[in-house]
Amino acid sequence: GESVGLHLPTLSVQEGDNSIINCAYSNSASDYFIWYKQESGKGPQFIIDIRSNMDKRQGQRVTVLLNKTVKHLSLQIAATQPGDSAVYFCAENSGGYQKVTFGTGTKLQVIP
Amino acid sequence: DTAVSQTPKYLVTQMGNDKSIKCEQNLGHDTMYWYKQDSKKFLKIMFSYNNKELIINETVPNRFSPKSPDKAHLNLHINSLELGDSAVYFCASSRAGGTLGEQYFGPGTRLTVT
Repeated sequence: GESVGLHLPTLSVQEGDNSIINCAYSNSASDYFIWYKQESGKGPQFIIDIRSNMDKRQGQRVTVLLNKTVKHLSLQIAATQPGDSAVYFCAENSGGYQKVTFGTGTKLQVIP
Repeated sequence: DTAVSQTPKYLVTQMGNDKSIKCEQNLGHDTMYWYKQDSKKFLKIMFSYNNKELIINETVPNRFSPKSPDKAHLNLHINSLELGDSAVYFCASSRAGGTLGEQYFGPGTRLTVT
């Protein structure tokens, strides 16, 4: 079936460096993508989203890039901080009416 | 001022028992969800309700029955619990017609079936 997945299960970065978390999706009909952050012992938290008519969207210290040609999106975190340590999920809206399909997650470890 | 709350936070029970998890949101949202997160952190939607009406019902055993007494509450009842039901269950809510995917998650309920 259709799936949303991540390339790297764990990413370690030095504090202050930029982080890039990648995600591949297989549903070519997907038109909306979301990044969530899940800290240990907590529920996922919305970070940023992007629609398929865009290829880039920026937030505070975060940027999401979408490449529909290769069905790939990425989350860039600038000047990574210890508080960014978490599991990051990409997700797509599939099947309509806010049905969100989550990818497998990437654990980001920030080294002080 | 908790947005989405769940009770209990931890639930340990034996196989064959029946248990319920409660969820409440005070955000005024119209849509609520239940997700299951397994030991590998994989999150999968189970159910979605909009204004007390079932919208999404994924391939979930009929031992799982959601109940929405009003749009601020979505409870999950599980009959005849099995070992494979052990997971973290998350409730979430969103505004109907709001930004797609902007869902607010509760803190989760860790269910352990022994």
